[in-house]
Amino acid sequence: QQQVKQSPQSLIVQKGGISIINCAYENTAFDYFPWYQQFPGKGPALLIAIRPDVSEKKEGRFTISFNKSAKQFSLHIMDSQPGDSATYFCAARDSSASKIIFGSGTRLSIRP
Amino acid sequence: NAGVTQTPKFQVLKTGQSMTLQCAQDMNHNSMYWYRQDPGMGLRLIYYSASEGTTDKGEVPNGYNVSRLNKREFSLRLESAAPSQTSVYFCASGGTGVSNEKLFFGSGTQLSVL
Repeated sequence: QQQVKQSPQSLIVQKGGISIINCAYENTAFDYFPWYQQFPGKGPALLIAIRPDVSEKKEGRFTISFNKSAKQFSLHIMDSQPGDSATYFCAARDSSASKIIFGSGTRLSIRP
Repeated sequence: NAGVTQTPKFQVLKTGQSMTLQCAQDMNHNSMYWYRQDPGMGLRLIYYSASEGTTDKGEVPNGYNVSRLNKREFSLRLESAAPSQTSVYFCASGGTGVSNEKLFFGSGTQLSVL
């Protein structure tokens, strides 16, 4: 049973469009919510992260929206580019155990 | 600057064989992790070590053991490999306090158990 539920499993977006990936959680001990990006043959790398005391964080074309009451958060990629094609993972840190749990991943393809 | 180094990169085992995956980090991080990545399942935590001298089970610990040899090194052992353990294994490390939130990953070990 995944503690962090991620959707969709795969996503195809046209170049210049908006990519949206969603995640949900139940554990109230989660206190930090990062997104990781992974290219084929590589390990994941931190993309952007948010804490639950803010509702939105933006870094360039990447934005996290966070809804604490609904226990949901999402990644928005504006003006999506072919170079954004990768697998994206949401994650959450369990502060009660100092461990980081990942979602099931979304394979994003940006069509030229 | 090596970061997180995993060895080997590829391994093929027969059912019942044992092996140890090695991981070392040079960033003076306190916490280290082992994850496995399977299609549709994402990254699942096998074991982690919040600090030197401690280890804890993650989401899928059965069939694995770990050793935090020192602050730099964290190994994962399969005592009797099974086909269900065919996967890509990633080691990661993170600092302490708020800095442990950012994980740095190795490049992975692709393991096939026949």
